[in-house]
Amino acid sequence: DQQVKQNSPSLSVQEGRISILNCDYTNSMFDYFLWYKKYPAEGPTFLISISSIKDKNEDGRFTVFLNKSAKHLSLHIVPSQPGDSAVYFCAASRSNYQLIWGAGTKLIIKP
Amino acid sequence: GAGVSQSPRYKVAKRGQDVALRCDPISGHVSLFWYQQALGQGPEFLTYFQNEAQLDKSGLPSDRFFAERPEGSVSTLKIQRTQQEDSAVYLCASSSGDLGNTIYFGEGSWLTVV
Repeated sequence: DQQVKQNSPSLSVQEGRISILNCDYTNSMFDYFLWYKKYPAEGPTFLISISSIKDKNEDGRFTVFLNKSAKHLSLHIVPSQPGDSAVYFCAASRSNYQLIWGAGTKLIIKP
Repeated sequence: GAGVSQSPRYKVAKRGQDVALRCDPISGHVSLFWYQQALGQGPEFLTYFQNEAQLDKSGLPSDRFFAERPEGSVSTLKIQRTQQEDSAVYLCASSSGDLGNTIYFGEGSWLTVV
């Protein structure tokens, strides 16, 4: 039973446009959500997080939106840059240390 | 060190061989995590240490997997009698405290069992 799902294995976006990565979860007890970015042969790097008491968190070009009623969160990257090409993982937690991860979405930014 | 360091980066083991994977967390980080990541999947939790105490080992897939952090810094993940299904990237991560603190990952140890 996958509690965190990223249904798009890959996404291709033109440089300069907006990239939207989606994540769905099933456990309503999750209260903290994170996005990680991963380049090949490297470990995941923390990108941005959001607590369940918020519906939006912004950090530069990156914004995470949380829709608790729909159990859905999304990561918006605008404008997209070539260096954003990577695999993006969504992760969730229930007020503890254990993160439950999605399978990842490979983002390709086309020049 | 500047980041989480893992060794070896790559390991090929024959089925039945024992392996040991080492993790040097960021200096001063209290929390240490081990994750297993199979190809095309997200990381899956294995175990968690707070200092030298292993507070959760619920994710270890079998009793062939053992982790320790005897002095509250360096950690070792040991896999005995490796099987082909153990082939994965083993990620170590550390943080300075609870979940609200950013978790930093190492580059991973890529294990292939042949």
